[in-house]
Amino acid sequence: GENVEQHPSTLSVQEGDSAVIKCTYSDSASNYFPWYKQELGKGPQLIIDIRSNVGEKKDQRIAVTLNKTAKHFSLHITETQPEDSAVYFCAANIGGGADGLTFGKGTHLIIQP
Amino acid sequence: ETGVTQTPRHLVMGMTNKKSLKCEQHLGHNAMYWYKQSAKKPLELMFVYNFKEQTENNSVPSRFSPECPNSSHLFLHLHTLQPEDSALYLCASSQVTASSYNEQFFGPGTRLTVL
Repeated sequence: GENVEQHPSTLSVQEGDSAVIKCTYSDSASNYFPWYKQELGKGPQLIIDIRSNVGEKKDQRIAVTLNKTAKHFSLHITETQPEDSAVYFCAANIGGGADGLTFGKGTHLIIQP
Repeated sequence: ETGVTQTPRHLVMGMTNKKSLKCEQHLGHNAMYWYKQSAKKPLELMFVYNFKEQTENNSVPSRFSPECPNSSHLFLHLHTLQPEDSALYLCASSQVTASSYNEQFFGPGTRLTVL
């Protein structure tokens, strides 16, 4: 089955700086890679996703890149703000169909004022 | 109500109790999921329902029993749980079509404590 590794487990950055979280996956059949943000006491919220037919996707301050050859994908947050502090999860699955997502262990992002 | 709702938000139960978790999705989706989130572990898929039919049971112990009476509601029946079953139980839903990718939307979760 699929295995997703996520690094780092904790990331502390100064407000205004950029943050990068990296994930690798094992199943070459995976072609859908979402990122979730989870705040304390809440469920995971989908913030951006990327599909295997593109290499990069951007939404305002958030971008995701995908390297299918190397089987890794990354989340980039620019101009970080205090409200970006949360736990971020990457995930992967084979896309179409009602398949469960395989998640990484999460990254606790701390934005220092 | 919008999105995915879960009740109760918090539950404390003894090992001999029987309780149920409820999930409702207001998104018109046709697939629903149960995940377990334990400290220091990735979210773990437990069950998948597609068009009310269970399509995946991820080696979950029989003390967890899912029920999906229609495409909007999902239950997780609990009995004779163990303390290690204490976790956040998350429900999610998605719209499955031949051409779609599996964008899953999560509820807020039920925080379960087994004494």
